[in-house]
Amino acid sequence: NAGVTQTPKFQVLKTGQSMTLQCAQDMNHEYMSWYRQDPGMGLRLIHYSVGAGITDQGEVPNGYNVSRSTTEDFPLRLLSAAPSQTSVYFCASRARFDTEAFFGQGTRLTVV
Amino acid sequence: GESVGLHLPTLSVQEGDNSIINCAYSNSASDYFIWYKQESGKGPQFIIDIRSNMDKRQGQRVTVLLNKTVKHLSLQIAATQPGDSAVYFCAENGQAGTALIFGKGTTLSVSS
Repeated sequence: NAGVTQTPKFQVLKTGQSMTLQCAQDMNHEYMSWYRQDPGMGLRLIHYSVGAGITDQGEVPNGYNVSRSTTEDFPLRLLSAAPSQTSVYFCASRARFDTEAFFGQGTRLTVV
Repeated sequence: GESVGLHLPTLSVQEGDNSIINCAYSNSASDYFIWYKQESGKGPQFIIDIRSNMDKRQGQRVTVLLNKTVKHLSLQIAATQPGDSAVYFCAENGQAGTALIFGKGTTLSVSS
């Protein structure tokens, strides 16, 4: 049972490039979320999903897109990377609103 | 111990002491609260959770207290060990009740 898997673990992008951060879970969880973590800022919610075909914005959605075509996958897309998007990104999934969220190991993204 | 409702970014304790980490939450309608531990380079790990219909919940060496009157949450760690050194985050359900919103973390340092 792998839990939540994020790829890649590390990525360097040039300003203006696009990329997709992958997130997959094998626990059949309906709820999935993306967070970014910057030094001293804690985890901030980017986008979340309550099931396949349903997504919504979190606290800091600008510059990011998501889609949820299957229960297992929740990719995060950066259409035109900016240095301000340099951060560590975490994906999480949870079964219900009153259970814990399981986190992936994170993707460390640097935009130069 | 710390003052109720005061967030301290760092806490230093001696091995064997009891630690108290405090957190103030913002959503008075929040129905679920949770504490996570994050070690350097890793994703957050679940410690303990509590629902809004409870005031206290105990786990192994950890206790969470919920005071809904002042919107305050605390994590107590008994007999703190060097392996407890990490950043600790509290979180609550957001307005939609489906994604967790995190507070600022507290870095716990345990010296032996």
